[in-house]
Amino acid sequence: DTGVSQNPRHKITKRGQNVTFRCDPISEHNRLYWYRQTLGQGPEFLTYFQNEAQLEKSRLLSDRFSAERPKGSFSTLEIQRTEQGDSAMYLCASSLAGRPTEAFFGQGTRLTVV
Amino acid sequence: DQQVKQNSPSLSVQEGRISILNCDYTNSMFDYFLWYKKYPAEGPTFLISISSIKDKNEDGRFTVFLNKSAKHLSLHIVPSQPGDSAVYFCAARSLFGNEKLTFGTGTRLTIIP
Repeated sequence: DTGVSQNPRHKITKRGQNVTFRCDPISEHNRLYWYRQTLGQGPEFLTYFQNEAQLEKSRLLSDRFSAERPKGSFSTLEIQRTEQGDSAMYLCASSLAGRPTEAFFGQGTRLTVV
Repeated sequence: DQQVKQNSPSLSVQEGRISILNCDYTNSMFDYFLWYKKYPAEGPTFLISISSIKDKNEDGRFTVFLNKSAKHLSLHIVPSQPGDSAVYFCAARSLFGNEKLTFGTGTRLTIIP
């Protein structure tokens, strides 16, 4: 399977705990995006990387959120001190720069904070 | 500030008929528009796109129309099939947005056999 892979698919955590999600993009894609989708809404942009450089962060990304893409390959999204409002589907997408119509999404990680 | 709007949360269409999904936007700097299809528990899947310099793009049963003066686009599916039942998201890319996408809230399409 050469698509975008996200792990875990589901995560239930207690409020205040830290969680980390992983995204493995399509191997030749140099751009990687994180989006968040809450119930009844479309995906909202959180941050993106070109290779290993994090080039933009949304205002939605509070200080409790951090994302990395070491070596320009897989990416991790960590949420510290989770809050109930963090419950959402976290989506990762990858593409080649200049080819936005070929952005492929992973299946997402559904986070539930209880 | 909802820059991309899909005002119909749901739509039901008889199998074989035409499905028309609508999308409005407010940002004049959007230069590319895309439609994604999403099944439950899966990520969005790219369906069709249109550049702002065009007014129509067709791919098989799917056609997207863009009316720049009205800041409106629509997705036509004809004929509609049961497998088309899904949530459809309209998305737009800003000329200066580093290719990130701004999504609408989605329209749930149900095809009635």
